[in-house]
Amino acid sequence: GAGVSQSPSNKVTEKGKDVELRCDPISGHTALYWYRQSLGQGLEFLIYFQGNSAPDKSGLPSDRFSAERTGGSVSTLTIQRTQQEDSAVYLCASSFTGSTEAFFGQGTRLTVV
Amino acid sequence: KNEVEQSPQNLTAQEGEFITINCSYSVGISALHWLQQHPGGGIVSLFMLSSGKKKHGRLIATINIQEKHSSLHITASHPRDSAVYICAVSERASGTYKYIFGTGTRLKVLA
Repeated sequence: GAGVSQSPSNKVTEKGKDVELRCDPISGHTALYWYRQSLGQGLEFLIYFQGNSAPDKSGLPSDRFSAERTGGSVSTLTIQRTQQEDSAVYLCASSFTGSTEAFFGQGTRLTVV
Repeated sequence: KNEVEQSPQNLTAQEGEFITINCSYSVGISALHWLQQHPGGGIVSLFMLSSGKKKHGRLIATINIQEKHSSLHITASHPRDSAVYICAVSERASGTYKYIFGTGTRLKVLA
């Protein structure tokens, strides 16, 4: 597609359930980022994938959060045993190698009830 | 203290007014970005700056590397400019290009 695509756009889940959020980056972009924006808060970095290198997971808030990127393209962010504080907009971005300009998806709004 | 500070946090303007949003940062950067986030949550990149000034339509962005400060100006503001404007920097020392974000400026332009 022409831009970064995220799905679902909205997700409501019960506390304790697992959720998967998907990101399709722009074709050819080797770098992929996940960010989170909690209500009333700024954006915070979660994880960064660059090509075949080991991902930078330094922003993941707990071991309930994990992400993978298959075939250097699509990425899935998984949150296990969701908690209410996980409610946020999860944004994915991608960029070319060596570029500081990232292109953002529309985000997935996650609500844990 | 946040590494990226924006001001004001909230701004209400009348249609046609000239608007300025400021961003100050305290880290060494590769580039500074101005992003626009509409109520649905999606983010659009407006500008990427490493020096000087850029203009796109009614939007102008400037950066002063020595002073670690950037401004986003909107000329002849319009209600459709209502959004959250976010300043983000790509930190130079990180080895990657993780963004550090400001908390955003919520702009409302009244007709």
